[in-house]
Amino acid sequence: AQSVTQLDSHVSVSEGTPVLLRCNYSSSYSPSLFWYVQHPNKGLQLLLKYTSAATLVKGINGFEAEFKKSETSFHLTKPSAHMSDAAEYFCALNSGGSNYKLTFGKGTLLTVNP
Amino acid sequence: SQTIHQWPATLVQPVGSPLSLECTVEGTSNPNLYWYRQAAGRGLQLLFYSVGIGQISSEVPQNLSASRPQDRQFILSSKKLLLSDSGFYLCAWKDRPSSYNSPLHFGNGTRLTVT
Repeated sequence: AQSVTQLDSHVSVSEGTPVLLRCNYSSSYSPSLFWYVQHPNKGLQLLLKYTSAATLVKGINGFEAEFKKSETSFHLTKPSAHMSDAAEYFCALNSGGSNYKLTFGKGTLLTVNP
Repeated sequence: SQTIHQWPATLVQPVGSPLSLECTVEGTSNPNLYWYRQAAGRGLQLLFYSVGIGQISSEVPQNLSASRPQDRQFILSSKKLLLSDSGFYLCAWKDRPSSYNSPLHFGNGTRLTVT
C-alpha cells in the first residue's frame, strides 16, 4: 500500500525567512512525487514533480524539493518566503500500484507573517 | 496548450434539488478524468475517475454519480442533494499514455453550498 504523510498541518513563517514543508511517503515501487499549491477557492496548481531523474527538483515560484530515498522523504523548501506564498500545500504520490490515481497528503497550511 | 474548464464557479442549491457540474478539457485526447471533493477542514477525496468514454469508476458510494458522454467532457450529477454534499468540487485530467509519471491538472473548482 502507498501513503503520504505531511508532517505539519500548519506552518507559520515570517516574510523573507526560509520555508520547509515536510512530506514522507510509503511505497512498494519507485515513486513519482508531486507538490501542489492551492490558494483559497482555487484549484490545485502543480509546483514541481519528481520522476526518478535528478533528486533535487526545482519548481515554480522559487520552490524546490529533494527526494531522499533512504529517508522516504520529499520535503519542499524555499529560501525566502513571500506574502503571496500563503496557501495550502499538498504532497502527492504515484508509485505504480495504480496508473490512474494519485495519493494525496492531508495538506499543510502555510501562513506568512509580515 | 491544454486547458480545463469547470463551471459554475459557485452554486447554492436547496436540499433535494438536482445537481449537474460540468468539466471540459481542451488540447489533449484520451485523458483520464477525475472528480474530487474538498469538504471544510478535510483533504482531497477522490469521488470518480474515468479512463474513457462511458467508463466510470466510483471510489466512494454516495449520493452522486458521474458520466463521460464525450472524450473530453466529465459531468458530476445528483438527483437529490443532501446537506452533506456541500463542498468544493474539483475536476482534473491526466495524460493517459504516460499516466504513471504525469501529474494531475486541476480546474478552478466549484463551491457548492446546499441549504
